Amino acid sequence: NAGVTQTPKFQVLKTGQSMTLQCAQDMNHEYMSWYRQDPGMGLRLIHYSVGAGITDQGEVPNGYNVSRSTTEDFPLRLLSAAPSQTSVYFCASTRRGGREAKNIQYFGAGTRLSVL
Amino acid sequence: SQQGEEDPQALSIQEGENATMNCSYKTSINNLQWYRQNSGRGLVHLILIRSNEREKHSGRLRVTLDTSKKSSSLLITASRAADTASYFCATNRDNYGQNFVFGPGTRLSVLP
Repeated sequence: NAGVTQTPKFQVLKTGQSMTLQCAQDMNHEYMSWYRQDPGMGLRLIHYSVGAGITDQGEVPNGYNVSRSTTEDFPLRLLSAAPSQTSVYFCASTRRGGREAKNIQYFGAGTRLSVL
Repeated sequence: SQQGEEDPQALSIQEGENATMNCSYKTSINNLQWYRQNSGRGLVHLILIRSNEREKHSGRLRVTLDTSKKSSSLLITASRAADTASYFCATNRDNYGQNFVFGPGTRLSVLP
């Protein structure tokens, strides 16, 4: 099992450009989430999904779009990149299950994004 | 606003010593989790403690939870250089969903 795979690992954008960060998991997990990590601030939830076709906003959703057409994939779209979106982005997945299982997240290795 | 806040922000110890990190949170929780992040990598789940538990052990890890003080601590005993990482606590705002909140983390350095 590859687990949670994020691509690309690194990306540099110019202000105003758009791009999609890819996230795929092969564990058949129902839940998937996107976070951004900034120095000294831990992880902040951007969007999450509890199943195909179902998404919801997290703490910092502005400037990002998501969709979940399959269980395996959960792409994150930046429609018009801004320097404030320079960050490290992590995708995570969780399986639906018992009280503990649904709280254990499996993370990808991250995408380092710089917006100039 | 952040739910979890760890302290200290950074901790440096010698190999073999114990490391203690603390986490405080603001609202009621169903459970609290600790994660480890090695430099440049994703987070890895370490341990989960439920709100009705006071202490939990996993190998060299010991987690305590005090819901009256809204705080938790993570103790790593007999630390090793390989324990060098950042440690984060996380809580779930929603018992049924996936709305997790992470603290800013503690950077642990274990010196050989």
